[in-house]
Amino acid sequence: EAQVTQNPRYLITVTGKKLTVTCSQNMNHEYMSWYRQDPGLGLRQIYYSMNVEVTDKGDVPEGYKVSRKEKRNFPLILESPSPNQTSLYFCASSFEGVWDEQFFGPGTRLTVL
Amino acid sequence: RKEVEQDPGPFNVPEGATVAFNCTYSNSASQSFFWYRQDCRKEPKLLMSVYSSGNEDGRFTAQLNRASQYISLLIRDSKLSDSATYLCVVNKGGGSEKLVFGKGTKLTVNP
Repeated sequence: EAQVTQNPRYLITVTGKKLTVTCSQNMNHEYMSWYRQDPGLGLRQIYYSMNVEVTDKGDVPEGYKVSRKEKRNFPLILESPSPNQTSLYFCASSFEGVWDEQFFGPGTRLTVL
Repeated sequence: RKEVEQDPGPFNVPEGATVAFNCTYSNSASQSFFWYRQDCRKEPKLLMSVYSSGNEDGRFTAQLNRASQYISLLIRDSKLSDSATYLCVVNKGGGSEKLVFGKGTKLTVNP
């Protein structure tokens, strides 16, 4: 089944404890991206990647890192999480970047205490 | 002006009603336009791409007005299952590979 998977789906952590949210797609998509969704603010792009080893900042990259060592994986790293990073995170992928349908993962609900 | 702006609603309509959503975008260089649907705190899913000539998919019709920089979504004969939040999505344009999502318009279809 063609899909985007994210892990973990739910995470409660404490300020400053490094964490990684994994994202993997099995559709051989070139483009992958991370979003956060907050009430009243909608979905905002954190980082995106056009291809392996090519990443770029979205609108809200502060406090996040990403890597794209393999085509299928695009992990989101929070080196020192803070409470303002409490949010619902979505990973997405597409074949032709912004010209194409974005396939979203099921989301990761992160709470930073 | 915000990059992408939608009426947040909520829209409450009876079954069978016709409802229309509008979305305005600020960058005239934007070239790709979409409507996504999101059920409560689930992942967004593509409803329709929006083409310059307009396009229709069953009960759903999408239109693009480049001169006024807005896109619209028309839902005819609303069903209970259409209840969701509808997201307008636009690329930033100018060669950017970034997407901008509107905050969404919430629709509730009542029996």
